[in-house]
Amino acid sequence: GDSVTQMEGPVTLSEEAFLTINCTYTATGYPSLFWYVQYPGEGLQLLLKATKADDKGSNKGFEATYRKETTSFHLEKGSVQVSDSAVYFCALSDRDTNAGKSTFGDGTTLTVKP
Amino acid sequence: DVKVTQSSRYLVKRTGEKVFLECVQDMDHENMFWYRQDPGLGLRLIYFSYDVKMKEKGDIPEGYSVSREKKERFSLILESASTNQTSMYLCASSQNRVDYGYTFGSGTRLTVV
Repeated sequence: GDSVTQMEGPVTLSEEAFLTINCTYTATGYPSLFWYVQYPGEGLQLLLKATKADDKGSNKGFEATYRKETTSFHLEKGSVQVSDSAVYFCALSDRDTNAGKSTFGDGTTLTVKP
Repeated sequence: DVKVTQSSRYLVKRTGEKVFLECVQDMDHENMFWYRQDPGLGLRLIYFSYDVKMKEKGDIPEGYSVSREKKERFSLILESASTNQTSMYLCASSQNRVDYGYTFGSGTRLTVV
């Protein structure tokens, strides 16, 4: 079946540091890939997505590239801010299993210190 | 702005009570989902629905039921609340498309005492 594996947290960085959160996946078919962000006390928000190999999703300074050869979708940001402190979830949606239902990773908690 | 609205942000209920969590979406989405989120356990799918009056069990349906009488509304029911159902409950909706992603509500923090 489908699965998503994220790097374990928590991750603690200083402001303006470079961020990478690793995400790898297994899927039956050809999935779409997503990153969601959850700020404290809130629901998840879609941060970015990519729907085919070599696509790059980007939003709010975050980027992730769909790498089919390594089955990865790592999240990066060049310079993090305190306001980026949140939990980040990688997810996939696989047409071959169910188009509208996603599989989520366990989430990675990021804390950015001033 | 499109929305998924959960009726309560915080709820406190007593053991044995029947609890209703309501979720409404205004995007005409086919799919709706209920998850619970607990520290260290990620998101766990309770139930989901692809259409009105349709429902399917997720990974942890025991102790829960759902109702979807209208397309925009998906209710989660705790038949007899127990303390181990204290959790954050998240509702989400999506189109039936692989490239679309979910829209989540703000969550309901339920405490069962």
